Amino acid sequence: AQSVTQPDIHITVSEGASLELRCNYSYGATPYLFWYVQSPGQGLQLLLKYFSGDTLVQGIKGFEAEFKRSQSSFNLRKPSVHWSDAAEYFCAVGAGGTSYGKLTFGQGTILTVHP
Amino acid sequence: GAVVSQHPSRVICKSGTSVKIECRSLDFQATTMFWYRQFPKKSLMLMATSNEGSKATYEQGVEKDKFLINHASLTLSTLTVTSAHPEDSSFYICSAHRDRPTYEQYFGPGTRLTVT
Repeated sequence: AQSVTQPDIHITVSEGASLELRCNYSYGATPYLFWYVQSPGQGLQLLLKYFSGDTLVQGIKGFEAEFKRSQSSFNLRKPSVHWSDAAEYFCAVGAGGTSYGKLTFGQGTILTVHP
Repeated sequence: GAVVSQHPSRVICKSGTSVKIECRSLDFQATTMFWYRQFPKKSLMLMATSNEGSKATYEQGVEKDKFLINHASLTLSTLTVTSAHPEDSSFYICSAHRDRPTYEQYFGPGTRLTVT
């Protein structure tokens, strides 16, 4: 069975600082990997996804993530955080085949941004 | 981008009553929708996969008789919480899977259910 671990429950950074949110996954085949952001009162918004190809993927809002198969990781990064980035971030792994579309989410990381 | 709506956004009901939550894909057709439950400070837990025109597929541990799912059209799936109890209070989120061109899931804003 697939699983996702986000080791950091809560991260606080200063505005303008760099950010890295960690995500480790467990999946038997090549995974489909996603990062979502959830703001209060908003639905989950897709930041970026990895299906295949280039292991460094660019997303919206200046985010990027790197797929490292050897480390079973898909960490999310941003070089300079803005106050509006404060939200909860979820890493997810998707199944293929007959379970295509089913997502397993990590526990989420709450990002607080200090001015 | 694709839009998914949920109605209602908040609902309070008395124990023993049933509540229906609607999930609509507003600008695309979705043969598959998903229902998740999110507990406070917890992750999203997949409850079931809703397939248009066929029975829903429930995850292990989810009571199919308590959480009735109907996917009557390509743009609407409903989740009915039957005989609700306080422990059913939660945040319910749906998503709609879009095939071409994005092959992505789009999430609704969620429904906060409180059972008193």
